[in-house]
Amino acid sequence: GQQVQQSPASLVLQEGENAELQCNFSTSLNSMQWFYQRPGGSLVSLFYNPSGTKHSGRLTSTTVIKERRSSLHISSSQTTDSGTYLCALPGNTGKLIFGLGTTLQVQP
Amino acid sequence: GGIITQTPKFLIGQEGQKLTLKCQQNFNHDTMYWYRQDSGKGLRLIYYSITENDLQKGDLSEGYDASREKKSSFSLTVTSAQKNEMAVFLCASSKGLGGRAEQFFGPGTRLTVL
Repeated sequence: GQQVQQSPASLVLQEGENAELQCNFSTSLNSMQWFYQRPGGSLVSLFYNPSGTKHSGRLTSTTVIKERRSSLHISSSQTTDSGTYLCALPGNTGKLIFGLGTTLQVQP
Repeated sequence: GGIITQTPKFLIGQEGQKLTLKCQQNFNHDTMYWYRQDSGKGLRLIYYSITENDLQKGDLSEGYDASREKKSSFSLTVTSAQKNEMAVFLCASSKGLGGRAEQFFGPGTRLTVL
């Protein structure tokens, strides 16, 4: 079946450092979604169907469809960026298949 | 814009009890979903519904029932709560089905079974 692999599983940064999160897919994709989840919180959509490179504030998503991968770059990290970042790919029946996420901790 | 609300926020039940979780959305979305999130296992789809009165089983439907009473609401019932069960149940909605539309999530219901 389709699989979504995220790396690294966890990441600890000092405030101000940059982060690079990876998402790899086992099958070809025509859309995907990046989410952010604060501990105990809901999922917030960061990027939807980000082919190529898209920007949102300090976040940049780069998706290379042919290589079945997407990355999320966080520049000048802040303590409020701490949480879990999830990527998801639509499955055969339209459901989203999620990776296990990258847990980011930004220390002051 | 819109919002998805889930009730209750915290749910504590006893082993064997039937428990119902509710979800409402005002996006006017056609499709709604129930996911379960367990620590270390990611999100798994329980049920989804593409329109009012429609129900489709996900990967984890055993032990659950669902009901799409109207377009804006989608309920999930745990038919017999399992002892020591702890999980977060997340409701989501989208304009279309799956990858053809962005999914938006509610705040979640945290279940604890004593």
